Amino acid sequence: DQQVKQNSPSLSVQEGRISILNCDYTNSMFDYFLWYKKYPAEGPTFLISISSIKDKNEDGRFTVFLNKSAKHLSLHIVPSQPGDSAVYFCAAKGVNFGNEKLTFGTGTRLTIIP
Amino acid sequence: DSGVTQTPKHLITATGQRVTLRCSPRSGDLSVYWYQQSLDQGLQFLIQYYNGEERAKGNILERFSAQQFPDLHSELNLSSLELGDSALYFCASSVVYDTGELFFGEGSRLTVL
Repeated sequence: DQQVKQNSPSLSVQEGRISILNCDYTNSMFDYFLWYKKYPAEGPTFLISISSIKDKNEDGRFTVFLNKSAKHLSLHIVPSQPGDSAVYFCAAKGVNFGNEKLTFGTGTRLTIIP
Repeated sequence: DSGVTQTPKHLITATGQRVTLRCSPRSGDLSVYWYQQSLDQGLQFLIQYYNGEERAKGNILERFSAQQFPDLHSELNLSSLELGDSALYFCASSVVYDTGELFFGEGSRLTVL
C-alpha cells in the first residue's frame, strides 16, 4: 500500500527551462508535505515543504504547489540549473501523535541538460 | 554536513551473519529514524526512537532490531542476513512536533553475498 507515489522515474529538462516534478498521495492524514533532494553517495537533504493548510510555498527557484482535492503536489524549479540534477523524493508527514514519520515516494531522477 | 553520523559507510558480509549499524544524531535531536533504501526503491521506514523509547514501527523484519541509548545514539541490528537485505540504510534525526524536516546521514551500504 504505497501512500505516496511518484509515477515518473525520470525527467530530463533543458537548462534554463522549468522542471516540474509530480507526486500523488492517497492518505488524507498528512499535515506536511516535503521534497528532498539526493545526490549519489549522499543522504537525502531537505529542499522545501508545505503545510496541508496552504496551497503554495515558494523559496527562491523552488515552488511547491498542493492540490488537496486532487491529493496532488508538484515541485517547480525555475530556472533549472545543472546542479539540480539529482533524485527528488516527495514525502508526507503523518498528523497523528506518534506517527510523525515521513512516508516517501520512490523518487524521480531529474537530469538537467546543458 | 547534516550533523548526523553513520558508521560504517560500507559493509560486506555473508548470508546468515549479523551486523550492527550505528548512528549519532544531530546535537540536541531526541528523535532518530531508520530507513531502508533497496535498489531503485524509495525510502522505507523501519523504526523511530524518541529519547530512548520506541515511538513508531514500520516494515521492520523480526530479524532486525534497534535501540537508542542514553547518549541518544542508535544502533540497528540486522541478523540472519539474506541476499535481499542488501540495501542502503539511512539514519535521520529531527526535532519532534515540527514540520517533518529530517536530517539524514550519508547512509550505510550493506552488501550481503
